[in-house]
Amino acid sequence: AQSVTQLDSQVPVFEEAPVELRCNYSSSVSVYLFWYVQYPNQGLQLLLKYLSGSTLVESINGFEAEFNKSQTSFHLRKPSVHISDTAEYFCAVSRLNRDDKIIFGKGTRLHILP
Amino acid sequence: SAVISQKPSRDICQRGTSLTIQCQVDSQVTMMFWYRQQPGQSLTLIATANQGSEATYESGFVIDKFPISRPNLTFSTLTVSNMSPEDSSIYLCSVLTGLNGYTFGSGTRLTVV
Repeated sequence: AQSVTQLDSQVPVFEEAPVELRCNYSSSVSVYLFWYVQYPNQGLQLLLKYLSGSTLVESINGFEAEFNKSQTSFHLRKPSVHISDTAEYFCAVSRLNRDDKIIFGKGTRLHILP
Repeated sequence: SAVISQKPSRDICQRGTSLTIQCQVDSQVTMMFWYRQQPGQSLTLIATANQGSEATYESGFVIDKFPISRPNLTFSTLTVSNMSPEDSSIYLCSVLTGLNGYTFGSGTRLTVV
């Protein structure tokens, strides 16, 4: 079975400062990794995903995540955050088989300070 | 990727009653997944629904409380039965859309009073 650990429930950071949201996973088989974002009072949106190939993946709004197999991590980073990045961020894993579910971490609330 | 239409978007219900949530997908999908997101919490999988067979429930969830229908490859319903205030949550459906990953419905915000 797969599991996901997000070590930080909340991360406060000043606007324009860098941020890293940590995610570690556990699995006995190869998995695919995702970061989802949930803005206040909105639905869940895919931010980025790692399926294969380059271990560094990027989103259109400046976030990036690096898959590290040896450390079983998929940390999310942004070099300079904006107030609009205030949201809950969920790391997730799946085997992406046709009948497989996606397992979520507990989420990290990113709080941008003015 | 697939587009999911989920309704209702929100509802306030009396305890003891039931609410049925619908999800319509714009393409045929094998599996649909139903999640619950309790206030301030992450998403927890309730069950996996395959067309033509009974849903598979996760530990802690039972069919009598959360009956699911999956009449065809584009539609599913989740019923929250005999509701109590503890059932107040956001309920979401999701589908696997190949290598694009998972798409989620916009959610149903349920408040039980």
